[in-house]
Amino acid sequence: DTGVSQNPRHKITKRGQNVTFRCDPISEHNRLYWYRQTLGQGPEFLTYFQNEAQLEKSRLLSDRFSAERPKGSFSTLEIQRTEQGDSAMYLCASSFLSSGGGEQYFGPGTRLTVT
Amino acid sequence: AQKITQTQPGMFVQEKEAVTLDCTYDTSDPSYGLFWYKQPSSGEMIFLIYQGSYDQQNATEGRYSLNFQKARKSANLVISASQLGDSAMYFCAMRDSRDYKLSFGAGTTVTVRA
Repeated sequence: DTGVSQNPRHKITKRGQNVTFRCDPISEHNRLYWYRQTLGQGPEFLTYFQNEAQLEKSRLLSDRFSAERPKGSFSTLEIQRTEQGDSAMYLCASSFLSSGGGEQYFGPGTRLTVT
Repeated sequence: AQKITQTQPGMFVQEKEAVTLDCTYDTSDPSYGLFWYKQPSSGEMIFLIYQGSYDQQNATEGRYSLNFQKARKSANLVISASQLGDSAMYFCAMRDSRDYKLSFGAGTTVTVRA
C-alpha cells in the first residue's frame, strides 16, 4: 500500500500531556498538509510543507501546536499541554506540485481524545 | 476569502438511483479548482473528482460527475446508480491559484437504502 499513512490511529491522553502524531506521505509527493476535523464539520487547514520548508503555519491553532518535516519526508505534529478542546481527528494529506489540480490524498487520520 | 456552501445536511437515496449533492462557492480568483471527497464512517477522506475553473467540459470519473456552472458558482456532484457502499459524508472543497490549502464545506451525509 503506497497511500498516506498516519500513526497512531487513536490516541487517548490526559489533559496537560504532550502528544505527537506522525504522517508518512506518498513517496513522490512534495507537499504535505495537516488538517483538523471536529465532529460534523469539514476539515480545517492547520499547516503545510513543501519539501522540508514549512510555508504556512499561521493557521496552527495556538503556540501549543507545532509541526516538522525533517528531510522532506515524514512529518510530525505535536500538541503540548493538551486541552479537552484539542479532541478531534487530525488528518494529514499529500500532493504532487504539478499533478493535475494538485489533488490532495489523505491518510486515515489520528483521532485524539483528551480526558 | 473563500467560502464553500453545502446546504443539504443529509439525503436519502434508493439503491440504483442517481443523487445530486449541491455545492456553491465564492471566490474572486479567476483560477481555482473544485474537489469532491467522500468520507465513510471509517474516517478516511477519499478523493473523488476534480474540476478546474478553465475546464470546458464537466469532469467525470466512473459513476461520479461534476455539474459545473461557472456563472452560478455551482459545482454539484452527481452520483449515478447509487450503491450501498456510497453511504458516507461527502465534502466539496476549493483551492484557488494563490492558495495551497483546501477550504471545505460542511458536508452532506448520504444514506443509500436497499
